Amino acid sequence: AQSVSQHNHHVILSEAASLELGCNYSYGGTVNLFWYVQYPGQHLQLLLKYFSGDPLVKGIKGFEAEFIKSKFSFNLRKPSVQWSDTAEYFCAVKAAGNKLTFGGGTRVLVKP
Amino acid sequence: DAGVTQSPTHLIKTRGQQVTLRCSPKSGHDTVSWYQQALGQGPQFIFQYYEEEERQRGNFPDRFSGHQFPNYSSELNVNALLLGDSALYLCASSLGETGGIQYFGAGTRLSVL
Repeated sequence: AQSVSQHNHHVILSEAASLELGCNYSYGGTVNLFWYVQYPGQHLQLLLKYFSGDPLVKGIKGFEAEFIKSKFSFNLRKPSVQWSDTAEYFCAVKAAGNKLTFGGGTRVLVKP
Repeated sequence: DAGVTQSPTHLIKTRGQQVTLRCSPKSGHDTVSWYQQALGQGPQFIFQYYEEEERQRGNFPDRFSGHQFPNYSSELNVNALLLGDSALYLCASSLGETGGIQYFGAGTRLSVL
């Protein structure tokens, strides 16, 4: 069975700092990869996805992620965060069927 | 264009009771998946419904069951509630049995006392 590991449970940073959130998964076959975000009081929203092709994918709100197959990683990055990026971020993997396997999430607090 | 809607938003039950949660998928979607999100954790897959049948199931006991209606809406039923069933229950809808991007509702917060 696949599993997803997010290395940081909590991240605190100041506005304009760069953000990188780690995500590793365990599954030997073809996967689809996702990052979802949950802003305070809101539902889970898709930030970006990787299905195939260019391993560097761009999402909404200036986020990007890089799929490194050899490292089973799909790290999320943003060069300069804003206070409005305060949220919980979830990495997810889809292998067979429709089942999404999520990591435990990373709470990001951006201080103004 | 309505997104995924879930009802009720909050629910309080006691141990041993039964509960039914409801989900209406995003317009145009035909697949519904249910997830359980315990406090401080990521969502865990319960099961998926497509064409009114359960197509895939996660590691949840038979106390968790569901149904999908011809209009693609879905229900999640949990019998013999345990304290550990307290969680946020999320519904996600997508198009097609396996390939679609899943869009999530706001969830139903279930508290079991």
